[in-house]
Amino acid sequence: DGGITQSPKYLFRKEGQNVTLSCEQNLNHDAMYWYRQDPGQGLRLIYYSQIVNDFQKGDIAEGYSVSREKKESFPLTVTSAQKNPTAFYLCASSIDVRREVSLRELFFGEGSRLTVL
Amino acid sequence: DAKTTQPPSMDCAEGRAANLPCNHSTISGNEYVYWYRQIHSQGPQYIIHGLKNNETNEMASLIITEDRKSSTLILPHATLRDTAVYYCIVRVGWGEGAGGTSYGKLTFGQGTILTVHP
Repeated sequence: DGGITQSPKYLFRKEGQNVTLSCEQNLNHDAMYWYRQDPGQGLRLIYYSQIVNDFQKGDIAEGYSVSREKKESFPLTVTSAQKNPTAFYLCASSIDVRREVSLRELFFGEGSRLTVL
Repeated sequence: DAKTTQPPSMDCAEGRAANLPCNHSTISGNEYVYWYRQIHSQGPQYIIHGLKNNETNEMASLIITEDRKSSTLILPHATLRDTAVYYCIVRVGWGEGAGGTSYGKLTFGQGTILTVHP
């Protein structure tokens, strides 16, 4: 079945360590996104990518990095520069809006919960 | 994107209709109303969206007032599995916005916690 897979589901890291969260989709979507969610809060956009080898900063990109070398994959690295990395991270994808003007929804993965010890 | 206001929580009896309100009084003419829901510790799920007309799909109905300043999401026969956080989002349509800067910028507020009880 088509969908978005995030891994790992739970991750623990020590302060000062970088960690990479995986996001893979087989929906043939061009656009992919990373959101962060803190307890009791809504989602905030970290980075998004409309096409392979291109990505844009969202509202809270500081301390994070991404790459988009393949259409199916959009990994997120939480660097040691991120001051408060403990959060629930969500990856999403959608059809490339530049090729289709009609409205489309975002499809989300199940999330990765990162805890810094 | 226009801001939205939702009640922080609501209760509904199983089998009854759940009516979730959303206020978006500053909505612009080209902005759509989206509804998503998020079950605890899962990714949000798209429910429905609309511009001016009322919309219905297999999950829910969306009623938008004539002045478009508010809307109501209706779950016609709520079940225990509908317990979730419901987000009302207003944003420009995909493909619109200066330089495509609206891509992916669905602004999720704190939403409404809907609790369906037996």
